[in-house]
Amino acid sequence: EADIYQTPRYLVIGTGKKITLECSQTMGHDKMYWYQQDPGMELHLIHYSYGVNSTEKGDLSSESTVSRIRTEHFPLTLESARPSHTSQYLCASSERLAGNNEQFFGPGTRLTVL
Amino acid sequence: AQSVAQPEDQVNVAEGNPLTVKCTYSVSGNPYLFWYVQYPNRGLQFLLKYITGDNLVKGSYGFEAEFNKSQTSFHLKKPSALVSDSALYFCAVRTLSGNTGKLIFGQGTTLQVKP
Repeated sequence: EADIYQTPRYLVIGTGKKITLECSQTMGHDKMYWYQQDPGMELHLIHYSYGVNSTEKGDLSSESTVSRIRTEHFPLTLESARPSHTSQYLCASSERLAGNNEQFFGPGTRLTVL
Repeated sequence: AQSVAQPEDQVNVAEGNPLTVKCTYSVSGNPYLFWYVQYPNRGLQFLLKYITGDNLVKGSYGFEAEFNKSQTSFHLKKPSALVSDSALYFCAVRTLSGNTGKLIFGQGTTLQVKP
């Protein structure tokens, strides 16, 4: 079944640890996105990708980095987690080119940094 | 600057009554407009979109939205609310300029439907 997956769903980790949030989609979409969302709040785009080997910074500055080595995989990495990184992270994907295509979202990863 | 506004943090309606969740936008060029719903501890689910054509758009779960170019609005509506409609709703816009596919989201409106 075509879908978009995120793991882990919940993560509690100590300050200074390196973490990677996984995102995979089986829909064959070229475009992928990472959003940061505080509880009950609006979404802020932090990274996006047009396709393999393409990564761009989003509208909200983030200390995280992303990579796109395979079409279906778009992991987000924090080299040294801090309490200010505590948030929900949502991954999304959409079809290439046509601007009218909706984005499909994963279930999110709720990150807590102690 | 491009922006989307959802003027109400929360909308309360009784089950069976009609509901409206408001959205206004400010963008250059013709907008593509979207509504998403988010249930607790879940990602966003697509409800409907306006691209061109009929100003009244029908979407999932009985929701519809009306595009009004003169008022730059795209309000979400449902004729008869259900308790299960209680969730967080986001309006989003994308313009035709460029092809980044980026969405600009509103701040979200919590819909509370009471039995």
